[in-house]
Amino acid sequence: GEDVEQSLFLSVREGDSSVINCTYTDSSSTYLYWYKQEPGAGLQLLTYIFSNMDMKQDQRLTVLLNKKDKHLSLRIADTQTGDSAIYFCAETSTDAGNMLTFGGGTRLMVKP
Amino acid sequence: DAGVIQSPRHEVTEMGQEVTLRCKPISGHNSLFWYRQTMMRGLELLIYFNNNVPIDDSGMPEDRFSAKMPNASFSTLKIQPSEPRDSAVYFCASTPSALNTEAFFGQGTRLTVV
Repeated sequence: GEDVEQSLFLSVREGDSSVINCTYTDSSSTYLYWYKQEPGAGLQLLTYIFSNMDMKQDQRLTVLLNKKDKHLSLRIADTQTGDSAIYFCAETSTDAGNMLTFGGGTRLMVKP
Repeated sequence: DAGVIQSPRHEVTEMGQEVTLRCKPISGHNSLFWYRQTMMRGLELLIYFNNNVPIDDSGMPEDRFSAKMPNASFSTLKIQPSEPRDSAVYFCASTPSALNTEAFFGQGTRLTVV
């Protein structure tokens, strides 16, 4: 099946930028997503990007997509302690019946 | 809208018992997904429905698992009999249509089978 991979852990200091990376294998991806999961909670959709775009910005969040390298990143500017959570990259494609395929999640820890 | 509502939030049961997890999708959404999350395997898609019809249940681990969606506003995931290895957080998600995959997740049900 298709794979989505992420690094397990990222630690940053409050006020710094965080960059969470994701790679995927599906050549027919249509949408790529970033979800945030706080402890004991469900997944919250943060942002998504259509596969024919290479960048999307939404307040402190910037998503970059390199379709050639199948690489997606999420940059969080001015990271706050409230940003500490697990971030999941996900993709979907028409070949997969629009089902979401998730990465394993990156745990972001923000130090004061 | 209250979002996707799952119940119960927590369930502790003894091995061999039947467990039923419930989900109410967002009104107007016509695709519903059940996921299981564990430390070892991350998020796994178990089954999804479109317009109340099961489309893909290839992620359902065993015959002990079954899911139904009798109407557009309710779905159940049943495990019978339950086993300790079924312990996980089970999430339900819904999307506005099969083409729009902006999925909204419920808070999850944490299942512990002892």
